[in-house]
Amino acid sequence: NAGVTQTPKFQVLKTGQSMTLQCAQDMNHEYMSWYRQDPGMGLRLIHYSVGAGITDQGEVPNGYNVSRSTTEDFPLRLLSAAPSQTSVYFCASSYSIVAGSSYEQYFGPGTRLTVT
Amino acid sequence: GQSLEQPSEVTAVEGAIVQINCTYQTSGFYGLSWYQQHDGGAPTFLSYNALDGLEETGRFSSFLSRSDSYGYLLLQELQMKDSASYFCAYSTPLVFGKGTRLSVIA
Repeated sequence: NAGVTQTPKFQVLKTGQSMTLQCAQDMNHEYMSWYRQDPGMGLRLIHYSVGAGITDQGEVPNGYNVSRSTTEDFPLRLLSAAPSQTSVYFCASSYSIVAGSSYEQYFGPGTRLTVT
Repeated sequence: GQSLEQPSEVTAVEGAIVQINCTYQTSGFYGLSWYQQHDGGAPTFLSYNALDGLEETGRFSSFLSRSDSYGYLLLQELQMKDSASYFCAYSTPLVFGKGTRLSVIA
């Protein structure tokens, strides 16, 4: 198993550009999520999904879109990048969507995004 | 509101014991998780407490008191490789505290 994979590892964007961060998992996990990590801010939840076709907002959803067309993939789209979106982005997945059971999440290696 | 509070930094000596505390406030609580993250790496799951009490996993233990909205992570026989950031988190969805940076010194 490859686990959770993310591409690209590094990306530099100019303000106003758009891009999609890719996330895939091969563990047949129902639950997937996106976090951003900034110095001193911990991990903040952007969006999450409890299954194909179902997504919901986290703590900091503004400026980001997601969709979940398959169990395996959960891409994160930045429609018009801003310098405030400079961050490290982590995708994570867990097996069960039963309430309270997403406590053990498997994280991808992260994407380091810089917006100039 | 919903929040988790943990100390920003802790320093401890190699071979010693260190406790990282976490207090939380949330309307819907299922349990408290702990994650470890080394610099430049991804967070990895350490432990989970759904019920009050102590859970032990090797050198690491985690404790939860639901009535006090409080938990802690206990690391014993500290090693240099334990230098990392440690996050408490509650679910669902999984929401993290800001993390505690542990430095282990010789």
